[in-house]
Amino acid sequence: EDQVTQSPEALRLQEGESSSLNCSYTVSGLRGLFWYRQDPGKGPEFLFTLYSAGEEKEKERLKATLTKKESFLHITAPKPEDSATYLCAVQSYNTDKLIFGTGTRLQVFP
Amino acid sequence: GAVVSQHPSRVICKSGTSVKIECRSLDFQATTMFWYRQFPKQSLMLMATSNEGSKATYEQGVEKDKFLINHASLTLSTLTVTSAHPEDSSFYICSARKTGVSGTNEKLFFGSGTQLSVL
Repeated sequence: EDQVTQSPEALRLQEGESSSLNCSYTVSGLRGLFWYRQDPGKGPEFLFTLYSAGEEKEKERLKATLTKKESFLHITAPKPEDSATYLCAVQSYNTDKLIFGTGTRLQVFP
Repeated sequence: GAVVSQHPSRVICKSGTSVKIECRSLDFQATTMFWYRQFPKQSLMLMATSNEGSKATYEQGVEKDKFLINHASLTLSTLTVTSAHPEDSSFYICSARKTGVSGTNEKLFFGSGTQLSVL
């Protein structure tokens, strides 16, 4: 069964304090791994799609990496506006469905 | 980026009434849309997959007669919660799949969600 586990559940960082969020997954044939940002009361906002181990993608202060078992979302010198819940999801070749993790709630305080 | 519009953003209704939620892809055609449900501080749970011109595919445990899905065009899918009860109160989110020209680079874009409160 496809499964996604995210850690930590919650993370508090001081502004400028870099860190990483983890997404561990098991899937029968990875079609894609997705990272989303979700603000309270809003729908998820697309960040990245990773397709194969070794792939990396960057966007401003965020960098996503992928191995055969996990993905990391690295946040460099975060700002308070980066505070949100970050969701990871996987899609297998067998189905069209995205299987989501429970997310990491990130708080960045000044 | 692509835009998916979802309405209403918030609805309060009495128990026993029906509520319709609309999901539109504004700048692309979406043959497939998905409906999710999210409880506070929990992840998104897929309810059903909506394909244009055909019946929706429901996930195990989701009552198809209670959550009616219609995907009548390439840009519109609707979810109707029939005879709503307080336990149906939740955050409902739709998403639409956009595929690149070559069929790759697939992305899933989400609506802004609908907070349903059933009194």
